[in-house]
Amino acid sequence: LAKTTQPISMDSYEGQEVNITCSHNNIATNDYITWYQQFPSQGPRFIIQGYKTKVTNEVASLFIPADRKSSTLSLPRVSLSDTAVYYCLVGVDDKIIFGKGTRLHILP
Amino acid sequence: ETGVTQTPRHLVMGMTNKKSLKCEQHLGHNAMYWYKQSAKKPLELMFVYNFKEQTENNSVPSRFSPECPNSSHLFLHLHTLQPEDSALYLCASSQDQNEQYFGPGTRLTVT
Repeated sequence: LAKTTQPISMDSYEGQEVNITCSHNNIATNDYITWYQQFPSQGPRFIIQGYKTKVTNEVASLFIPADRKSSTLSLPRVSLSDTAVYYCLVGVDDKIIFGKGTRLHILP
Repeated sequence: ETGVTQTPRHLVMGMTNKKSLKCEQHLGHNAMYWYKQSAKKPLELMFVYNFKEQTENNSVPSRFSPECPNSSHLFLHLHTLQPEDSALYLCASSQDQNEQYFGPGTRLTVT
């Protein structure tokens, strides 16, 4: 199972772009990369998923280099409500592991 | 609302009690999951059901007993729990290997 490594915490300010990078050196050929957001005492919420190159939706962008050994979640113009824990997951089907996530704190 | 509901939202039980957590998904998904989230620890996958068949049991103690009577409902039966079992228990569902949709969780306190 592919293990992920993310920064434990990050601080940023309202209106800035935030990039959170995740390392997954032993990602398998069939693995997808998925990011979740979790607010305190709530279940994780799906943000974005990708396999390679770049994926963009209304919430975020996901950048995946050609070797797929890392990925970067990009949140444009963050607000205070983006303060949460962000999890990077790698896997397929039910073979996934949640790491400790990155605790993002947005400051006014 | 994610389409996944869990009841109760909060539960306090003694170590000798028997209780059950319920999860229901209204998304037509074919897979359901139980997770445990303890304070300051990563999310832990406990059980996975695909088409009502259990496909994953991550070395969970037998005091936790899952039940999946159909593809829309998932239960977690609890008996003789320990204080260290106090945690947020999350249910999720997915369609094949696509993204998982999580319920709001049940905050369990074992006294």
